[in-house]
Amino acid sequence: SQTIHQWPATLVQPVGSPLSLECTVEGTSNPNLYWYRQAAGRGLQLLFYSVGIGQISSEVPQNLSASRPQDRQFILSSKKLLHSDSGFYLCAWTPGRGPYGYTFGSGTRLTVV
Amino acid sequence: GDSVTQMEGPVTLSEEAFLTINCTYTATGYPSLFWYVQYPGEGLQLLLKATKADDKGSNKGFEATYRKETTSFHLEKGSVQVSDSAVYFCALSRIYNQGGKLIFGQGTELSVKP
Repeated sequence: SQTIHQWPATLVQPVGSPLSLECTVEGTSNPNLYWYRQAAGRGLQLLFYSVGIGQISSEVPQNLSASRPQDRQFILSSKKLLHSDSGFYLCAWTPGRGPYGYTFGSGTRLTVV
Repeated sequence: GDSVTQMEGPVTLSEEAFLTINCTYTATGYPSLFWYVQYPGEGLQLLLKATKADDKGSNKGFEATYRKETTSFHLEKGSVQVSDSAVYFCALSRIYNQGGKLIFGQGTELSVKP
């Protein structure tokens, strides 16, 4: 069966520090991968998505970047965190084109202090 | 562009009450529609889905019918439990475009009191 792993679960980082969040999927190949951020108001904002290795689409200009170095690995990064980067970050995957819906990871709570 | 609108929350109900959470969408063509649930401190879980007009998705006592004529996908449950307390998200996907990305509504918080 397929599983998605996301870590760390919580993170407190100072302003100006770097960030690396990792997401991996097991039990499937060539998944579509997504990073979402959920701010305090509960809305979900799509940050990046990827349909293959090295293919990254950015939805909004921001202080973050994403990479997909391996088929089932998706990394969210920042060189210098801002207070506004605080939030709940969710990784998700789907098998590809089709009405599958997403499977979400358990999320990372990031607080920038 | 595509969008999803949900009713404002929070919704507070007594146990065994009937639940309706309204969801309407704007999209061209025939999107797939989804309901997700988020329990406190957790990620989102797929609750149910419908992929074409008049389809009814159902799971754990929840139901929603894809109504193309009213562009709606309202979530219903006949008798809620305290354990149903969570935030519910309606979403749509233009599956064959742009990586199948989901567009979410703002979420509706449900609180069920014993």
